[in-house]
Amino acid sequence: GPKVLQIPSHQIIDMGQMVTLNCDPVSNHLYFYWYKQILGQQMEFLVNFYNGKVMEKSKLFKDQFSVERPDGSYFTLKIQPTALEDSAVYFCASSFLGVDTLYFGAGTRLSVL
Amino acid sequence: QQQVRQSSQSLTVWEGETAILNCSYENSAFDYFPWYQQFPGEGPALLIAIRSVSDKKEDGRFTIFFNKREKNLSLHIKDSQPGDSATYFCAASSNTNTGKLTFGDGTVLTVKP
Repeated sequence: GPKVLQIPSHQIIDMGQMVTLNCDPVSNHLYFYWYKQILGQQMEFLVNFYNGKVMEKSKLFKDQFSVERPDGSYFTLKIQPTALEDSAVYFCASSFLGVDTLYFGAGTRLSVL
Repeated sequence: QQQVRQSSQSLTVWEGETAILNCSYENSAFDYFPWYQQFPGEGPALLIAIRSVSDKKEDGRFTIFFNKREKNLSLHIKDSQPGDSATYFCAASSNTNTGKLTFGDGTVLTVKP
């Protein structure tokens, strides 16, 4: 089936540094998402993105977070600066119409030391 | 208050039995309920989904039973196989949200041969 690729699978970073998580969504999809999962907890919606703009964001999407997809390349989540509580697995997802099937990547495990 | 709840953190069944995974929700605006299956090291993948206008959805060995009045649903896996061992997430969304899903905590299913 369609694949969403996330690079890297694991990222270790010192608190206060900047990190960019990369996502290669399904090629004809129009809607893009980031979800956050802290170990042992449920996966939680962070943000969705369509037509170059953030459509909706949750309260977990702090001011230090930003997303973009320049020129149809990777869909990225940037955290600047990182904090200890940002340690989690971040899942990228994409969908064609927005209300239909979401396809998830395998996640990037972010460890902030 | 958790919007989507899964009643069991874990469930173990024998091969050939029917596994029943339960889920309940709070928000009456939810009208789309997908179940996602996740294997270790992979992202969640859509297994089967139901809309609130239906009370049952079947796809091979997988059936969702939905009770709108009680705000609960269940996933039945008939003739369980060891390969069905995975984490199953119940999720929900409303048609006013462009693909934003609210997830339960997940149920880890183990099928013993």
